[in-house]
Amino acid sequence: KQEVTQIPAALSVPEGENLVLNCSFTDSAIYNLQWFRQDPGKGLTSLLLIQSSQREQTSGRLNASLDKSSGRSTLYIAASQPGDSATYLCAVCSNDYKLSFGAGTTVTVRA
Amino acid sequence: EPEVTQTPSHQVTQMGQEVILRCVPISNHLYFYWYRQILGQKVEFLVSFYNNEISEKSEIFDDQFSVERPDGSNFTLKIRSTKLEDSAMYFCAIRDQYFGPGTRLLVL
Repeated sequence: KQEVTQIPAALSVPEGENLVLNCSFTDSAIYNLQWFRQDPGKGLTSLLLIQSSQREQTSGRLNASLDKSSGRSTLYIAASQPGDSATYLCAVCSNDYKLSFGAGTTVTVRA
Repeated sequence: EPEVTQTPSHQVTQMGQEVILRCVPISNHLYFYWYRQILGQKVEFLVSFYNNEISEKSEIFDDQFSVERPDGSNFTLKIRSTKLEDSAMYFCAIRDQYFGPGTRLLVL
């Protein structure tokens, strides 16, 4: 059974700092890995998807890396803004498209 | 990008009542999933549905739960006799990427 762990559970930084969010998973036989954003009481917004054959993916200020062999992914958010405050979820997709989620990292960016 | 809608957005029900949550993808798909998220907890897989059949279900998905695709477009999750612990946000998904906005279920 795939287990997904995210560290840290919470993070508070001043505006402008770079953010580093970590995700680890136990089974390296994955189809892809995604990072989602979730605002309080809201749904899931897909931010980045990294296929199992890829090492990283970038979108604007967001960059995610994947090291499948070691079971790790890292999400980097450059020059954080208060609008980046949210919970970020890592989800590992198996070959049948089923997602296993981490518990998330709750980010607070202070103005 | 396919759009997924879910109805209702919120539902409050009494313990023991039946609820039906609906998911409507804009275009035709074969792979459907239901996930739930109890407040403050992880998003958990409930069931996957492929080609009009259940392909996998979690230990959470007991006999109180059922899924259907009654008319080829709607995809429903039914909870026959709700319990307090069924209170959660329920998400429908197509494949691995396209999530609906969720239905918040509160069982009193």
